[in-house]
Parts: sequence; structure tokens; C-alpha cells
Amino acid sequence: EVQLVESGGGLIQSGGSLRLSCAASGFPVISNYLTWVRQAPGKGLEWVSVIYGGGRTYYADSVKGRFTISRDNSKNTLYLQMSSLRADDTAVYYCTRSQGGAGYGMDAWGQGTTVTVSS
Amino acid sequence: DIQMTQSPSSVSASVGDRVTITCRASQDISSWLVWYQQKPGKAPKLLIYAASSLQSGVPSRFSGSRSGTDFTLTISSLQPEDFATYYCQQANSFPFTFGPGTKVDIK
Repeated sequence: EVQLVESGGGLIQSGGSLRLSCAASGFPVISNYLTWVRQAPGKGLEWVSVIYGGGRTYYADSVKGRFTISRDNSKNTLYLQMSSLRADDTAVYYCTRSQGGAGYGMDAWGQGTTVTVSS
Repeated sequence: DIQMTQSPSSVSASVGDRVTITCRASQDISSWLVWYQQKPGKAPKLLIYAASSLQSGVPSRFSGSRSGTDFTLTISSLQPEDFATYYCQQANSFPFTFGPGTKVDIK
């Protein structure tokens, strides 16, 4: 069974750093597109970052230079290192998987982890 | 970046109604369009990928189509479990972007 379990969220002061983790099971992270998506309270979905293939990464303009996506293939875990956090980074962060390529949609989602940035 | 718009932002409908939601891309994305359903407090669920391909396990009352840069999600006969918010997402080029969502609620 495919499963994604996020952790690492919490309350952090503006300007601080936080690392989110996403433990994957039922599939190898190395051979899938893995994406972080966030949702601010009462708002829509926002695509944040993706890692795939040999480790190629892309970021939304809103987090570029502040967030870093990575994975540990031996632990089958995805990470999101977040720094210089701002109030508008407050959101539920979901990790997701896309099987067969990012264009085929995110077919597995974690339950989400909440990040609250206090100003 | 590619901008995605959706209309309407909300729709009130009854069980059994046919519901249509439209999504428009700001530039050509071929058929790289994905639809998700999200219920309150839950993670989104993949419904349709590549504009018109139904994800495994999704009921056949959901369908998708494309006309140029306009995309449509249709629910042929609304069921009680379909009341939710629907998002489109372009999957043509990074950074991927979502539409603002369409809330389908009970009339």
C-alpha cells in the first residue's frame, strides 16, 4: 500500500527555519516525482516544489531561494528545508507522489503537516 | 508562469444535477491538465489527468474535456459525496500551478 506520512510542522517565529519530512512506503522515492503542495488556512492549493529523476528540482517563485527540497533514497524519505520563514508561509504542507511522470497528476497524498509562522 | 483561472468560483446544485466547471490556462498547455477533488479537512484526491483520462477508482460520472486552452470537468449526475471543492492544475511546465478552486455545495 502506498503511504506518505509528513512530520516536522509546528509553530515557528518569522525568520526561522524548519525541516519537514515525508516518510514514503509502498514505492521507491527514487523512481517517482515527489512534490510539496501547501494550503494556507481557508485558501486554495499552492504548488511548492518538486524533485525527480536524478535529483532535478524546481520551485515556486514564492519560495525560491528560501526552501530546499531533497530526498534520502536509503530512508525512502522526502524533505523540505524551509528558511527565512514568513507569515505567508503558514499553511498545511502536503507531500505527494506522481507515478509515471509529473504530468499524470499527484495520485498519492500525505495527511499534511501544519506550519504556523508567527510574526 | 502559467496562470490558471476557474469558473464559477462556486456553484449550488442538487443531487442528480449535471455540473460543469471550467478551467482556462493563460497559454497553451496541450492536454497537461489535472483535476482534483478536496473535501474539508482532507487531502485532495486525483480525479482526472491528461485532461480527460479518468484516474483508477474514480466514478465514471466524472469526465474531462479540452478545447484549446479551455478545460471542462463535468459531473453527469451529482451525488451526495461529490459536494466538495474542485481544483484544476496545469502539468505542462514547472512551476506547476493550480486554479483557485470551485466549491460545489448543496442547493
